Amino acid sequence: GESVGLHLPTLSVQEGDNSIINCAYSNSASDYFIWYKQESGKGPQFIIDIRSNMDKRQGQRVTVLLNKTVKHLSLQIAATQPGDSAVYFCAENMEYGNKLVFGAGTILRVKS
Amino acid sequence: GAGVSQSPRYKVAKRGQDVALRCDPISGHVSLFWYQQALGQGPEFLTYFQNEAQLDKSGLPSDRFFAERPEGSVSTLKIQRTQQEDSAVYLCASSLNSGWNEQYFGPGTRLTVT
Repeated sequence: GESVGLHLPTLSVQEGDNSIINCAYSNSASDYFIWYKQESGKGPQFIIDIRSNMDKRQGQRVTVLLNKTVKHLSLQIAATQPGDSAVYFCAENMEYGNKLVFGAGTILRVKS
Repeated sequence: GAGVSQSPRYKVAKRGQDVALRCDPISGHVSLFWYQQALGQGPEFLTYFQNEAQLDKSGLPSDRFFAERPEGSVSTLKIQRTQQEDSAVYLCASSLNSGWNEQYFGPGTRLTVT
C-alpha cells in the first residue's frame, strides 16, 4: 500500500538489534507525551506514554525517555522485529485534555 | 470490543462537491477528535468534542469545514465545495474522558479531490 511517510527520515536496523527513535518537541509547558506507531493504511496505534513528572517509562520491549531540559523524547525498541517496521510519531499534549500535536515522524525499516 | 470505525474508508470527490465523513467512536468515550493527515506528514488537529459540545475548532482550515456530534456519540465531518488541497487522510480519535488519556484512532478516510 501507499506509504504514510514518503519524505520522512528513515532508520534502518537489523532484526534483533535495538532501535532508538528521537523526537524534539516544541512546547516546554507540555505535560503529556505519547509515541504512536502507524502502518500503511492504518490509523496511529498507541505504543507508550509518559507524563512530564517522569523521565523514563518502560513497557514491553519499549522504553520512553524524556529530557525536559532540552525538550527531547526518545523511543527505544529492544530486539527489533520485522513487525516493528512502520512510521513512528511522537505527540505532545499542550493543553489539558485537548489536542495532540504530532512531530514529523520517523520511518523504521527492519532488515531480516 | 470494537475500536473506532470510520466510513467511508476511501472517497473520491470532484472539486466543488460536498462530502461527509463519519466517525463511530468507542462506546462510552466522552472525547472525540478529528485530525487531518497530509501525505508524508503527521496528523494535524482539526476539532475536538466533549460529549456533544464542540470545545475547540481552532484547527479547521476554513469555513468550508464543519463538524458535529449531535448526540454525543457518532460524529460527522463535512467539507463543502471541496478543493484539491483538501485531499488527505481524515482521522478520528476518541478517548474515555478528558485529561491525559490515550486517544484511540480509527483507520481514517482517505479523501481524494480530483
